[in-house]
Amino acid sequence: AQSVTQLDSQVPVFEEAPVELRCNYSSSVSVYLFWYVQYPNQGLQLLLKYLSGSTLVKGINGFEAEFNKSQTSFHLRKPSVHISDTAEYFCAVTPDNYGQNFVFGPGTRLSVLP
Amino acid sequence: GAGVSQTPSNKVTEKGKYVELRCDPISGHTALYWYRQSLGQGPEFLIYFQGTGAADDSGLPNDRFFAVRPEGSVSTLKIQRTERGDSAVYLCASSPQAGTYEQYFGPGTRLTVT
Repeated sequence: AQSVTQLDSQVPVFEEAPVELRCNYSSSVSVYLFWYVQYPNQGLQLLLKYLSGSTLVKGINGFEAEFNKSQTSFHLRKPSVHISDTAEYFCAVTPDNYGQNFVFGPGTRLSVLP
Repeated sequence: GAGVSQTPSNKVTEKGKYVELRCDPISGHTALYWYRQSLGQGPEFLIYFQGTGAADDSGLPNDRFFAVRPEGSVSTLKIQRTERGDSAVYLCASSPQAGTYEQYFGPGTRLTVT
């Protein structure tokens, strides 16, 4: 079984400042990793995913994440945030054996302040 | 093009009643997923369809929950003898095929059991 931890439930940050949203996972098997964003009153949208290859993954809207297998982490970063990045961010994993049982973390609410 | 749609957007029912929640996936998407999201939590996997068959129903909490996808397109999540603890937002997602690991989420159905 897999589990996902997002230690920060809320992250306030000023506009144009950098941000890091933390994600750690636990799994007895290798996993694929994902970040999803949920804007207010909208459905979840895929930001980026790590399946294989380079551990640094670039996604939409200027976000990137780095997979660290030894630390079982997949932290999300953006060098300069905008007001429009205010949203809920979810980290998720699924086994890499073609399993489709996705496990999501509890989410981190990013609030970008003017 | 049209995204994933879910109906109704809101459903209020009394404890003990039967409810059906509908999901219309993106046309041509063969994989379909149901999740449940409680307040302040990430989505919780319920069931995954590949075509018409339920490939993984390990997330269904008990036998009151059932889902079908008879023609490989529209899916219905059925809940019998609803309980107050079933109150949540039920999310549907579809994917072009399971191996792409790209899920497109609908806006959800908010179920309230009184």
